[in-house]
Parts: sequence; structure tokens; C-alpha cells
Amino acid sequence: DIQMTQSPSTLSASVGDRVTITCRASQSVSSWLAWYQQKPGKAPKVLIYKVSSLESGVPSRFSGSESGTEFTLTISSLQPDDFATYYCQQYNSFPWTFGQGTKVEIK
Amino acid sequence: QVTLRESGPALVKPTQTLTLTCTFSGFSLNTSGMCVSWIRQPPGKALEWLARIDWDDDKYYSTSLKTRLTISKDTSKNQVVLTMTNMDPVDTATYYCARIAGCGRGGYYFNYWGQGTLVTVSS
Repeated sequence: DIQMTQSPSTLSASVGDRVTITCRASQSVSSWLAWYQQKPGKAPKVLIYKVSSLESGVPSRFSGSESGTEFTLTISSLQPDDFATYYCQQYNSFPWTFGQGTKVEIK
Repeated sequence: QVTLRESGPALVKPTQTLTLTCTFSGFSLNTSGMCVSWIRQPPGKALEWLARIDWDDDKYYSTSLKTRLTISKDTSKNQVVLTMTNMDPVDTATYYCARIAGCGRGGYYFNYWGQGTLVTVSS
């Protein structure tokens, strides 16, 4: 199975901060990687697919990039609605796997 | 408008079989390129993909849970059913069904989710 390792596990930031979350795959996932946002008690919501494609309706402050097997989710200017937990997911090969999550907290 | 809704028992006993139903609208599993998956999330923990069923009835399972899972569909009712045998307290989780954005076209991410159903395994 492909292991997806996110860092950090928790991140404290303020409104307006630039935030970066990293996800490292244990082997190549090509570009088949998505990012999700999850708020307490709610289902995840897809933000980005295929590394850097923004899902319809998602604010442009969210962006994704890759460098080899390391993937990055960036929030250019953190907004109050962005405090949540973020997960990466590879869908290159079965079984599809998620990272362990990164919780973005208010500083 | 695409919607999915999970239903099933909130409490099951150890060793019992869990049956969950995902009832959806806004798309048909008779349509080429449509697929639905089940994903679960133990309280306070990460997401775990469980199974997928495609419009052509192809099925895929989590490696670690393959022997315990069965996924099926009833296209006339717009439903996908997941059964999990030999339930254990570690299977306590919120179970989600989700539609895959574009099966067969590389869009194997989840763009619509149900609200989830919490299943507790306890005697």
C-alpha cells in the first residue's frame, strides 16, 4: 500500500497567514492526488484534484503543487472559514489511501 | 443536484454483520463512468477507503478488509450496499458513501459525499 505522510499534524496560524501543508507519498502516485477539507461533524469536501486543479467553487486562495513524491497544499491568506482539518489522498493505485490529516488551528 | 445519504444501524454487537445502505440521487449507476465508494473514519482519526463499485459492476476493496467486505448495487433503487462481517470494536467509525468524480477518466477523487453515519460496535 502507498503510505501518505502529512506534516505537520497540527498547525497554529492567524487570519491572513500563508499556510503550507505537506504530504509525502511512499512511492510515485503520478499526479493522482487530491486534497480535502473537513470541519468537525461534517463530511470532507474536495478542494484540489490532480495535484493542482481547483474544484469548482473553491476559492482561489487554495493551491496545490508537487515535487516528486512530495505534495503541497497552500492557503495564500488564511480566512476564518479555513480553520479545519486537511487530508491528502492518492488515487493512483489500490488501495486508495489518505494522509493522517493536518489540523489548522487559530493561533 | 447530487445527494447521497447513508443509513444503517447505529449500534452493532461484536461478531455481527453490518449492512449499510447508500441512497443517492442526481445520477445513475447505469451511466458509464459513474462509481461510488465507501470510506470510514474512526472518531478523531483519519479517513480510510473501503470499497468501490462501478457502473459496469466492477468492484474493488481495501486490501486489509477485503475478506470482510461486500459491495453491491441496486440501480432500480439508486442504492449501494456495503456489508462488513465479523464486526469488532475497532470498526467503530463514521461510514461515508461518496461519488467518484470521473471513473475511467482518471478522476478518481470524491466530489460528493453523504453526511455519514456513526456505527458503534459494542456488546
